[in-house]
Amino acid sequence: EVQLLETGGGLVQPGGSLRLSCEASGFTFSRHAMTWVRQAPGKGLEWVSFISGSSSTTYYADSVKGRFTISRDNSKNTVSLQMNSLRAEDTAIYYCAATDYYFDNWGQGTLVTVSS
Amino acid sequence: DIQMTQSPSSLSASVGDRVTITCRASQGISNFLAWYQQKPGKAPNLLLYEASKLEAGVPSRFSGSGSGTDFTLTISSLQPEDFATYYCHQYYNTPPWTFGQGTKVVIK
Repeated sequence: EVQLLETGGGLVQPGGSLRLSCEASGFTFSRHAMTWVRQAPGKGLEWVSFISGSSSTTYYADSVKGRFTISRDNSKNTVSLQMNSLRAEDTAIYYCAATDYYFDNWGQGTLVTVSS
Repeated sequence: DIQMTQSPSSLSASVGDRVTITCRASQGISNFLAWYQQKPGKAPNLLLYEASKLEAGVPSRFSGSGSGTDFTLTISSLQPEDFATYYCHQYYNTPPWTFGQGTKVVIK
């Protein structure tokens, strides 16, 4: 059974930093690209970042480019999202998802709240 | 970027009703479209991919059709557990991956 478990969310002040992690199990992690998707309270889904299985390719939404960094450790089956210079509009539930073009398995999400 | 527009934004329906949700892409995406169901407080769940292929374990009352710019998700006979929000998602021209704004299905 595929499982994805996100951790690292919490309350952070504007301008602060936070690091999210997603631990995967139940599939061959290194063979799958991974994605972060977020959902602001009461809003729809927004793609945030993508990393290929080998880490050779990464992409970012314009809204987070230059502030967020995605990485992965295939030896630990984890993908991370380093979030710097956080803004109020980054407040959202952040989901990690396994990616074979579409997003076929999702974690339960971790809530990030940016507020003073 | 490809914009995805769903309609309606919300709909009310009764158990047993046939429900259709439409998704339109701002440019052709072939059949690179997925549909997700999201229940309150839960993560999205993949229903269909490649516009019409049912994900394993998804009930057959869900079906999808379309190609190019116009797509539909149909629930043939709405069940109590189907009241949720549904999102379409294009993965043809990426990045970015883009979603529709969602369609909330509520009980009439």
